[in-house]
Amino acid sequence: DAGVTQSPTHLIKTRGQQVTLRCSPKSGHDTVSWYQQALGQGPQFIFQYYEEEERQRGNFPDRFSGHQFPNYSSELNVNALLLGDSALYLCASSFYGDDTQYFGPGTRLTVL
Amino acid sequence: QQQVKQSPQSLIVQKGGISIINCAYENTAFDYFPWYQQFPGKGPALLIAIRPDVSEKKEGRFTISFNKSAKQFSLHIMDSQPGDSATYFCAASGGDNFNKFYFGSGTKLNVKP
Repeated sequence: DAGVTQSPTHLIKTRGQQVTLRCSPKSGHDTVSWYQQALGQGPQFIFQYYEEEERQRGNFPDRFSGHQFPNYSSELNVNALLLGDSALYLCASSFYGDDTQYFGPGTRLTVL
Repeated sequence: QQQVKQSPQSLIVQKGGISIINCAYENTAFDYFPWYQQFPGKGPALLIAIRPDVSEKKEGRFTISFNKSAKQFSLHIMDSQPGDSATYFCAASGGDNFNKFYFGSGTKLNVKP
């Protein structure tokens, strides 16, 4: 049984560019949450998707947007990249209504 | 306002010793408190979790102690091993923040052989 998978593993972009990160949830899970983890910090909640809709959102600007597909996989899009967007982006999946979340290995984004 | 505060930032323990990490939370609506373990280059892995209806939960060498009135909870790692060396995060969710987790800033544990 595959766990949560994310792609790509690493990504380097320049300021002002746009980036798309991808996540496939654990088999059977229907809910995907995205987190940003800056170096040496705890993960910060970006948003959560269920039934292809954004259900919860953290304190992140509109430059951060997402999408969930019918197969429950999800994308995180970040526009107009800033240096401060450099971080590990984590995807977590769960059953909707279940507190237990399983994290993927993350995508390391570096903005130059 | 930081919803979950974690201490200490780093911890060094001898093999066989007890590691203790503490967290405090603000929102009394929180009703789910997990602990995660993270190794370098990996995503966080769920270790153990507790709800406010119990004061303690034990799974193997890992124990969560929960004090609802003080709005505090802690992780105890008994018989700490070098393989436990990792960063540990507490988190909280619940109420209007259902499924929206607030994480502590992490504790880097180093268990000396």
